[in-house]
Amino acid sequence: NAGVTQTPKFQVLKTGQSMTLQCAQDMNHNSMYWYRQDPGMGLRLIYYSASEGTTDKGEVPNGYNVSRLNKREFSLRLESAAPSQTSVYFCASSVEGAWLYEQYFGPGTRLTVT
Amino acid sequence: AQTVTQSQPEMSVQEAETVTLSCTYDTSESDYYLFWYKQPPSRQMILVIRQEAYKQQNATENRFSVNFQKAAKSFSLKISDSQLGDAAMYFCAYSGAQGGSEKLVFGKGTKLTVNP
Repeated sequence: NAGVTQTPKFQVLKTGQSMTLQCAQDMNHNSMYWYRQDPGMGLRLIYYSASEGTTDKGEVPNGYNVSRLNKREFSLRLESAAPSQTSVYFCASSVEGAWLYEQYFGPGTRLTVT
Repeated sequence: AQTVTQSQPEMSVQEAETVTLSCTYDTSESDYYLFWYKQPPSRQMILVIRQEAYKQQNATENRFSVNFQKAAKSFSLKISDSQLGDAAMYFCAYSGAQGGSEKLVFGKGTKLTVNP
């Protein structure tokens, strides 16, 4: 099993450009998450999806949109990138809610917005 | 809102010795879960240990153990017989146990250096 995969691993964007970060899991998990990690900060939740067809805002959703395409895939879109969105982005999944089951993380995407 | 505080931005330990990383949290919930995650230079997030708040017994996983003090809202991680491979960022995290509480709230992390 590949676990949680993310593409791309690295990306450089200019301010105002758009892009979609892709995430897929092959563990048949119901819940999926997007986090961002900034220097000196822990991970902060952007959006999550408790099950296929549902999405909810996390702590820092502004400037992002998400799509739970199917049970396996959960994408994160930046419609108009800003330098403040320079960060490392992690996707994660779990069987159910975080309180019961371990979250499995992808390897991360390092995004730089110039 | 729940918050997680790690007051030690950096810690160091000699190989084979013991180190304790601190974590405090704030919540009004009575039932919740606490976690320690390790992030080595590879950036991969790895679950180290988990504690259910309703359990009085401290969780242990091999060389890793926690000191969970519910009244004090404290959740420290003890690493015994430290190894070079333990060098990493360590994040404390909280999750509520109410229905719909999907979120993990992370502290800012502690960078652990292991000296040979």
